[in-house]
Amino acid sequence: TQLLEQSPQFLSIQEGENLTVYCNSSSVFSSLQWYRQEPGEGPVLLVTVVTGGEVKKLKRLTFQFGDARKDSSLHITAAQPGDTGLYLCAGAWEYGNKLVFGAGTILRVKS
Amino acid sequence: EAGVAQSPRYKIIEKRQSVAFWCNPISGHATLYWYQQILGQGPKLLIQFQNNGVVDDSQLPKDRFSAERLKGVDSTLKIQPAKLEDSAVYLCASSLGLWTEAFFGQGTRLTVV
Repeated sequence: TQLLEQSPQFLSIQEGENLTVYCNSSSVFSSLQWYRQEPGEGPVLLVTVVTGGEVKKLKRLTFQFGDARKDSSLHITAAQPGDTGLYLCAGAWEYGNKLVFGAGTILRVKS
Repeated sequence: EAGVAQSPRYKIIEKRQSVAFWCNPISGHATLYWYQQILGQGPKLLIQFQNNGVVDDSQLPKDRFSAERLKGVDSTLKIQPAKLEDSAVYLCASSLGLWTEAFFGQGTRLTVV
């Protein structure tokens, strides 16, 4: 059983469309990070959210941390082919003192 | 600033053989992680070090996997003997402390045949 459940597992959309990726858990996290990974590379951090209800924007990407710090979402506006990749959420699980990852969402943006 | 270095990049071995991976974290980073990533999935934490002490190794298959971080810097991950299901990318990451941003190496792609 995954501590962090990501949905959808796979998303294929046309350039210019909007999309939302979800990261859910029954556990509370001290903070939650979103990473993007391209083939053959390690994940690269996009953002860290710490406070319940926090919203962070990074150009066309909007990240939200749930009020109870159990879930998060990533919204991409006007997706571009360069957004293609594996999007991973990772939670700092305070009771386990470790950083755990979700299974990821594979995003493919077609031009 | 140099990133996390891993070697080798690729390794192909036969089942029941042994293999070792090496990781050099970013200088000054106290926390070091080893993750296993199977194709199309998210990374699964194998072991986490804080300096040279183990913080979590609950998902490390200890009958065949071992890891060490001597002097709190470099780390090695060993598999002996390897099984077919060990085929995966092994990612090393480091961070300043627990729960801060993790910086990943490019990984070692292991194929067990």
